[in-house]
Amino acid sequence: QKEVEQDPGPLSVPEGAIVSLNCTYSNSAFQYFMWYRQYSRKGPELLMYTYSSGNKEDGRFTAQVDKSSKYISLFIRDSQPSDSATYLCAVGVNTDKLIFGTGTRLQVFP
Amino acid sequence: GAGVSQTPSNKVTEKGKYVELRCDPISGHTALYWYRQSLGQGPEFLIYFQGTGAADDSGLPNDRFFAVRPEGSVSTLKIQRTERGDSAVYLCASSTGTGGDGYTFGSGTRLTVV
Repeated sequence: QKEVEQDPGPLSVPEGAIVSLNCTYSNSAFQYFMWYRQYSRKGPELLMYTYSSGNKEDGRFTAQVDKSSKYISLFIRDSQPSDSATYLCAVGVNTDKLIFGTGTRLQVFP
Repeated sequence: GAGVSQTPSNKVTEKGKYVELRCDPISGHTALYWYRQSLGQGPEFLIYFQGTGAADDSGLPNDRFFAVRPEGSVSTLKIQRTERGDSAVYLCASSTGTGGDGYTFGSGTRLTVV
């Protein structure tokens, strides 16, 4: 079993839709949870960063961590074509060594 | 600099050759990380530096891979006797090292071994 599981998609939604992206993980010792966005031929860009459980909101983005279920989510409200990218979840016991999911490719069409 | 700079952006080399990949982190960032990303996969940890020393090199796949950061700033990832399976995008990231700010990644070096 992989330490982090993420559906690779692709996920295709119309502009304005609410997008839900998810990852599951296996190690209960993970305390750091991050979401990165990666455009084609670019490095990953940090979107959201959560320590331990709970929700965090930043503009159109909301990150949720459910440690009891070992489940993390990223919600994107009012999705835009510019949100089309690959979204990577990352987890870690500390931030020195992150384990990334395979990434979910999202396409938002006008 | 304004971001993490990686050179070259693309490198094509023949099987068996030696390559060096360079990373210039954000000024003042003490922590530096190397990850490798194969096609359709997420980044995979290789090595982490805190200052000049390698704090964790557990992700280096074998002894053909080596990385240095002699002055605590620029880092070089060195691969000896390259193999076709080494083909991937090599990503460098840096952070303040306090654990509270995530990483800033560079755009990577796309290595192709033919």
